[in-house]
Amino acid sequence: ETGVTQTPRHLVMGMTNKKSLKCEQHLGHNAMYWYKQSAKKPLELMFVYSLEERVENNSVPSRFSPECPNSSHLFLHLHTLQPEDSALYLCASSQDLGENYGYTFGSGTRLTVV
Amino acid sequence: GQNIDQPTEMTATEGAIVQINCTYQTSGFNGLFWYQQHAGEAPTFLSYNVLDGLEEKGRFSSFLSRSKGYSYLLLKELQMKDSASYLCAVRDGDYKLSFGAGTTVTVRA
Repeated sequence: ETGVTQTPRHLVMGMTNKKSLKCEQHLGHNAMYWYKQSAKKPLELMFVYSLEERVENNSVPSRFSPECPNSSHLFLHLHTLQPEDSALYLCASSQDLGENYGYTFGSGTRLTVV
Repeated sequence: GQNIDQPTEMTATEGAIVQINCTYQTSGFNGLFWYQQHAGEAPTFLSYNVLDGLEEKGRFSSFLSRSKGYSYLLLKELQMKDSASYLCAVRDGDYKLSFGAGTTVTVRA
């Protein structure tokens, strides 16, 4: 248990489906992040929220839609995905933006688009 | 864009020492992080360097040279449980972390 919980751990979805990934942290952190991790590639930053306000939208296709209803929860809504979107999606949190202890990551959701 | 390079794979023997190098070319620099990620698990924070020099934490040490755009993670007295991927990440602004692709370390008996 890392303090950041992601559900589901595994997800298989068709290209026409709509699904959501959930991230929850009860560490009292104020910043939350979505990263995409593809095999043999660097983690790609997707979205950043600070105090429930989006501060970064890193040129992510609109088929990915984030939501941060409160400082403990972060969602990633998915619709009409492509096979190349198959990856590990990692959520992370930090006390504040730019703090020196790095992020606390969740274990990720392994997404397969068929 | 940001460019962070680290070797793809390394293999070492239990009890030995392994050094994982990371070189970076980024638009700014505000600290370098190392993370460990076991297969199927979350990356976990190992170390943070913002000033030049060596930071030691038990069996793990991390070194930074800002003038050379270079860091290394040193793993001593390797154990089987150290088999994992090691991620180098640079904070190039106020908060954004740019990651390398990771180095997979395999420890053999």
